[in-house]
Amino acid sequence: AQSVTQLGSHVSVSEGALVLLRCNYSSSVPPYLFWYVQYPNQGLQLLLKYTSAATLVKGINGFEAEFKKSETSFHLTKPSAHMSDAAEYFCAVSPQGGKLIFGQGTELSVKP
Amino acid sequence: ETGVTQSPTHLIKTRGQQVTLRCSSQSGHNTVSWYQQALGQGPQFIFQYYREEENGRGNFPPRFSGLQFPNYSSELNVNALELDDSALYLCASSKATVLDTEAFFGQGTRLTVV
Repeated sequence: AQSVTQLGSHVSVSEGALVLLRCNYSSSVPPYLFWYVQYPNQGLQLLLKYTSAATLVKGINGFEAEFKKSETSFHLTKPSAHMSDAAEYFCAVSPQGGKLIFGQGTELSVKP
Repeated sequence: ETGVTQSPTHLIKTRGQQVTLRCSSQSGHNTVSWYQQALGQGPQFIFQYYREEENGRGNFPPRFSGLQFPNYSSELNVNALELDDSALYLCASSKATVLDTEAFFGQGTRLTVV
């Protein structure tokens, strides 16, 4: 069975600092991996997805993630945090098209 | 193109009652998936509908049921509501069931069971 684990339920950074949100996956087959963002009282918006075309994936709003098979990781990064990045972030794996298995989420806080 | 819309946005029901939540899929999408997101948790997959047939189900009891209509809109029905059913219910639509397909989410329906 496929699963994802997000390390750290809450991450706090200063505005302008590096953002690093961690995600490790478990899968017996090449995984399809996604990062979604959820703002308060809203649905989920796709940031980026990995589908085996390239290990470094660039997404919206300056975010990117690197797929590392040896570490079974798909960490999300952004070089410089902005106040508007404060939200809940979810890593997910897709065992079936349109079906997603989500991690527990990481709440990102950005301090001025 | 229109996005995924869900109704109602908020709902309060009493334990033991039944509820129906509705979802209109994005234009051009034939697949709808439903998720339950409890407070402070990640969304949990309930089931998926593809061309009006159930196409996969998560670990939810039979009192959670669904429908998909010819226009690909969908309903989630929950019978015999329990307090633990209080959650944000998210609908997501996608173009197909291929693995790399992107799922587009609605704003969700916040269900409170009292």
